[in-house]
Amino acid sequence: KNEVEQSPQNLTAQEGEFITINCSYSVGISALHWLQQHPGGGIVSLFMLSSGKKKHGRLIATINIQEKHSSLHITASHPRDSAVYICAVGGSQGNLIFGKGTKLSVKP
Amino acid sequence: DGGITQSPKYLFRKEGQNVTLSCEQNLNHDAMYWYRQDPGQGLRLIYYSQIVNDFQKGDIAEGYSVSREKKESFPLTVTSAQKNPTAFYLCASSIGGSFPYGYTFGSGTRLTVV
Repeated sequence: KNEVEQSPQNLTAQEGEFITINCSYSVGISALHWLQQHPGGGIVSLFMLSSGKKKHGRLIATINIQEKHSSLHITASHPRDSAVYICAVGGSQGNLIFGKGTKLSVKP
Repeated sequence: DGGITQSPKYLFRKEGQNVTLSCEQNLNHDAMYWYRQDPGQGLRLIYYSQIVNDFQKGDIAEGYSVSREKKESFPLTVTSAQKNPTAFYLCASSIGGSFPYGYTFGSGTRLTVV
C-alpha cells in the first residue's frame, strides 16, 4: 500500500465547477504539501500545512491530522487550472513522500 | 530572483554512457534532493544532502551518484549501471532539518536513452 494515496487519479470538470482532490496518508508527518505540475514538468508549491486550513485566491487546502486526510479545493475552476496536482508529506529526513498525482482537466 | 536551475532541460544519452545532470540553487538552502518521476508514478527519492560534503542514499539510489562540494550545487550522475534511466529528473532544495520548510523545485531534466 502506498504511503500517500490520492483520489481521483483523473478529473475532468467544466469551467466554473467546484473541484475537490483528496489525499490520505498512512505515515506520521511533519507537514503536508500540495504541489502543482504543469505539462512542461516544473513543479510549484501551492501550500504547506500542518494543521487547519489555508487559502490562496481560489485555492483552499485543509488537513485533518487525526484522520490523516487532506483536501485541495478549487473554486470557480478555469481552464488554466488544468495541471497535475500532487500531495506530498514530509519524511523523517526532510525529504517528501509523494502521491501519484491527480490529473485535472478543466474544459471551457 | 532566488531559485533552482536545472540543466539541460532535455538530454539524450546512448546506452552505456554516463551523464551528469546539473542542479544549482541560490536560495542559501542547506538541503538538496534529487527525485525521479516515471509515468503514472509518484516522485521517488534518489539521493539527498543535508549539508556540504555529505549525502545519503534515497529509495532508488542504485545506478546513480552525486557530490556536494559546494552548498549551491548538487549534480547527479546517471551511470551506465542504471538499468532504466529514461525518466524525468527533478532537483529540489529546502531550508533543511527534519521539517521541510521552503521546499523549492527546479524545472526538471527529461533524460532519454537512445
